[in-house]
Amino acid sequence: QSALTQPASVSGSPGQSITISCTGTSSDVGGYNYVSWYQQHPGKAPKLMIYDVSKRPSGVSNRFSGSKSGNTASLTISGLQAEDEADYYCSSYTSSSPNVVFGGGTKLTVL
Amino acid sequence: EVQLVQSGAEVKKPGESLKISCKGSGYSFTSYWIGWVRQMPGKGLEWMGIIYPGDSDTRYSPSFQGQVTISADKSISTAYLQWSSLKASDTAMYYCAREYSSSGTPGYWGQGTLVTVSS
Repeated sequence: QSALTQPASVSGSPGQSITISCTGTSSDVGGYNYVSWYQQHPGKAPKLMIYDVSKRPSGVSNRFSGSKSGNTASLTISGLQAEDEADYYCSSYTSSSPNVVFGGGTKLTVL
Repeated sequence: EVQLVQSGAEVKKPGESLKISCKGSGYSFTSYWIGWVRQMPGKGLEWMGIIYPGDSDTRYSPSFQGQVTISADKSISTAYLQWSSLKASDTAMYYCAREYSSSGTPGYWGQGTLVTVSS
């Protein structure tokens, strides 16, 4: 069960948009519409930002959006703000037990 | 409101045993999968395994099979992660997490339990 592939780091200036990719296989990302994204600030627990590819939990800013094409899911953050600087992880349902796989994480730096 | 409250930080010696806990509230504890996630210092999230408290169906990631035991006591809405013989390499933050939708991917997280194993 290999981890999903994310870029190690991305960066952007305040107000800009950035996109983080999450690449898997047809057994996980490509096979199910069950991709989630998490934001983790240092010393904090992960926070759910997107679930089921593109749905936002209540309370999450609409600056965060998710999409998927084939075996690659993407998280887009528009109107970057300083507080968006954090680590971001994707996860997907997978056909392999125990049915969840994470990405390796992406560090977002707001310049 | 769904809440997962984990037990406090632990400092242990190599070879010792340990059991940490995760108490769920605000939902039907027996109706949702709960998983455990390891985060080693400065590293990413690793899915260790899951349990369905309703029938105790338990599944482990290959990397963690035989290394830890996941269990649950539905009478007190609490899930557990235990080790029989800790190693220094078990030093990490451990999170419990409940599935958010029927997807199985985690959405509700505990606050984390820091386990430090050092002689």
